[in-house]
Amino acid sequence: EPEVTQTPSHQVTQMGQEVILRCVPISNHLYFYWYRQILGQKVEFLVSFYNNEISEKSEIFDDQFSVERPDGSNFTLKIRSTKLEDSAMYFCASSDFRQKGNTIYFGEGSWLTVV
Amino acid sequence: RKEVEQDPGPFNVPEGATVAFNCTYSNSASQSFFWYRQDCRKEPKLLMSVYSSGNEDGRFTAQLNRASQYISLLIRDSKLSDSATYLCVVSPTSGTYKYIFGTGTRLKVLA
Repeated sequence: EPEVTQTPSHQVTQMGQEVILRCVPISNHLYFYWYRQILGQKVEFLVSFYNNEISEKSEIFDDQFSVERPDGSNFTLKIRSTKLEDSAMYFCASSDFRQKGNTIYFGEGSWLTVV
Repeated sequence: RKEVEQDPGPFNVPEGATVAFNCTYSNSASQSFFWYRQDCRKEPKLLMSVYSSGNEDGRFTAQLNRASQYISLLIRDSKLSDSATYLCVVSPTSGTYKYIFGTGTRLKVLA
């Protein structure tokens, strides 16, 4: 079964450092997402991406965050200057709105710890 | 009112019990509805989509009530392996592709 893959699975970084989280969405999907989940809290939408541009973003997705699709397969989330409160699980996801039900599929997540 | 609201639980039930979860959503124009399951520190995984006519998959039954804007999930004959957090997910109106998650309802099935 096709799946969304993410790297790294876990990263520890110092406050103020830049972090890049990588994702390979399901190959025939058109819509890509980043969500985050702070430990013990709900899954929160960060950004959606379609046709090589951001289609929506949340209030969380401020100027410190950026996304990019540098080639035909990878989808990245960059956090420019990490803060302690950026510590969370970051999930990449993709969906194909041409399919019935518009199901969204998640990668296994990248656990980011900012120290 | 929260966009998607769930009772966080936990629901502690014995093996073999039937348990039901509800979820309410605020946007009446929402189009797609799902139940996801999330195990501790894992990614959400699709349990089932929810259709207007209701749908069943083995021990799991999902219902949608558009008039009252709620979704339900019924689990029959609970197994220990059903212990997880169940997430209600709503995809809002046309023109947006953002999926909104509820806080999740935690289920513990006890031996």
